[in-house]
Amino acid sequence: KNEVEQSPQNLTAQEGEFITINCSYSVGISALHWLQQHPGGGIVSLFMLSSGKKKHGRLIATINIQEKHSSLHITASHPRDSAVYICAVYGYGGSQGNLIFGKGTKLSVKP
Amino acid sequence: DTGVSQNPRHKITKRGQNVTFRCDPISEHNRLYWYRQTLGQGPEFLTYFQNEAQLEKSRLLSDRFSAERPKGSFSTLEIQRTEQGDSAMYLCASSWGQGDSEKLFFGSGTQLSVL
Repeated sequence: KNEVEQSPQNLTAQEGEFITINCSYSVGISALHWLQQHPGGGIVSLFMLSSGKKKHGRLIATINIQEKHSSLHITASHPRDSAVYICAVYGYGGSQGNLIFGKGTKLSVKP
Repeated sequence: DTGVSQNPRHKITKRGQNVTFRCDPISEHNRLYWYRQTLGQGPEFLTYFQNEAQLEKSRLLSDRFSAERPKGSFSTLEIQRTEQGDSAMYLCASSWGQGDSEKLFFGSGTQLSVL
């Protein structure tokens, strides 16, 4: 079993839909990253969370430390949101760089 | 371009050859990371530098792998005696900030194919 599990693995949505991607982890963590990876490999950090909720534009990330769960929401989705979204955690006792990555959720937003 | 730059973008080599990749981080970032990603998987941590000091190496990093960051700026990752299992995308990232304010930036990666 992976230490970081994401669901769904693949998601297809119509433009304008509200999207939720989930991340569950089995280790104690100090912080969690949501990352966006576009075709061709470029990865962008969207959020880093250790508690609560963060919002940036149409993106909202929440984390529940007790339940070991985080969600990434996209409001009013757009085709340019199509990408792989990756959840990654810093485990307790792990180094600054030792992120544990999920396998990603591939999102496709149709016009 | 002020992002993280990696060279080359693609590298094809024969098994047994040595290869070296370069990463130029964003200039004010003191932390630099190397990750490896295979198809359909999330990236895996390889090693991490704070300035010129290599602070952690993954068990994935066998003795055929070595990384340096001699002046705390660019970094190189060398793989000696490449094997077919080394074929992967090698990603470099750099960061600044602490805790929730950390900003992590990735390069576009070097795709290695070992024939």
